[in-house]
Amino acid sequence: NAGVTQTPKFRILKIGQSMTLQCAQDMNHNYMYWYRQDPGMGLKLIYYSVGAGITDKGEVPNGYNVSRSTTEYFPLRLELAAPSQTSVYFCASSYSAGAGQPQHFGDGTRLSIL
Amino acid sequence: GDSVTQMEGPVTLSEEAFLTINCTYTATGYPSLFWYVQYPGEGLQLLLKATKADDKGSNKGFEATYRKETTSFHLEKGSVQVSDSAVYFCASDSARQLTFGSGTQLTVLP
Repeated sequence: NAGVTQTPKFRILKIGQSMTLQCAQDMNHNYMYWYRQDPGMGLKLIYYSVGAGITDKGEVPNGYNVSRSTTEYFPLRLELAAPSQTSVYFCASSYSAGAGQPQHFGDGTRLSIL
Repeated sequence: GDSVTQMEGPVTLSEEAFLTINCTYTATGYPSLFWYVQYPGEGLQLLLKATKADDKGSNKGFEATYRKETTSFHLEKGSVQVSDSAVYFCASDSARQLTFGSGTQLTVLP
């Protein structure tokens, strides 16, 4: 079972470049999430989606964009990369939200902005 | 807003030692509580959860009890193994979103 698949695993960008982090899930989950994890910190929510065509901002959305055209895919876009966006990015999915529903995580994308 | 506070690490133990990682939360309403584990180079995996007060979650020898009176969900294991070395995150799901603690790095030495 693939679960949540993220690509690429590693990437180095120059300041001002753009890129898209890919995320796919094969569990038919309605909810999908993007988090960033900075050293010594917990995960912070960037954006989330409750279904195809519906997205909403999380705690730290500035500098990012998302789209959700299908249930399976939830890409995260960085338009103008900045050093502050150096982090590890995790995509997650869940069947629903709250009431003890667990989230399933991908293995992450390690992104460095130089 | 909602928050989760975890015991700061890193924590280093010898194999077969007893483990406790403290976690307290503040939340509106009655959240479900989770412990996730992150092995090196991997994403977070659900370790255990509890959905209401006095529930005990357990998995792989780890346990945690949802204590509403002390707003706590401390993780325990009676005898740790080298393979338990990882980062452990406490989380709550009030407001239908997960709020994570900062994580506790555990290293178990043989």
